[in-house]
Amino acid sequence: DQQVKQNSPSLSVQEGRISILNCDYTNSMFDYFLWYKKYPAEGPTFLISISSIKDKNEDGRFTVFLNKSAKHLSLHIVPSQPGDSAVYFCAATSTGGGNKLTFGTGTQLKVEL
Amino acid sequence: DTGVSQNPRHKITKRGQNVTFRCDPISEHNRLYWYRQTLGQGPEFLTYFQNEAQLEKSRLLSDRFSAERPKGSFSTLEIQRTEQGDSAMYLCASSYLDGGPNEKLFFGSGTQLSVL
Repeated sequence: DQQVKQNSPSLSVQEGRISILNCDYTNSMFDYFLWYKKYPAEGPTFLISISSIKDKNEDGRFTVFLNKSAKHLSLHIVPSQPGDSAVYFCAATSTGGGNKLTFGTGTQLKVEL
Repeated sequence: DTGVSQNPRHKITKRGQNVTFRCDPISEHNRLYWYRQTLGQGPEFLTYFQNEAQLEKSRLLSDRFSAERPKGSFSTLEIQRTEQGDSAMYLCASSYLDGGPNEKLFFGSGTQLSVL
């Protein structure tokens, strides 16, 4: 069963606009959430994370929001840039469990000029 | 470059052959993870080490798979009697566990395995 779901396989956004990537999870034991970005032929690169004790974390153009009651998180990128075009993976873990990450299936973001 | 290094980048093998992949983690990282990624899916956890101890293995890791980290530095992942279903990208990641909540995994570029 898919414990972390990214229901949008792709997203296209114009340069300068906001990109919103969504992620849902089912496992109530998850208490730490991460976003990774992946370019072709490279491994995933850590982008931003959030602990379940917070509902928002911001780092430059990237903000992650967590809604625990809805078991939903989202990544906002503003303004979007062409270099942001990549596959974005949502991941979750329970911090007492060896930091074994459970990943979603990814969302391909394309930022167009 | 002091990132996670994986070799080879690509491996093509015939069904039934054995293959071995190597991962060199970031220096001084005490945790090392192996993940597998197939087309259209996210990475799936296989196993992880803390120093030289293998602490957990996923049920995805059948008895044809074995991983080692003999000196707590580099790691190898061996697949015996490969099957076509083993075709995937095998990713290695490392991290430094300091007891804090913000352990971050750094991934290598992966080894792409194709079993013919």
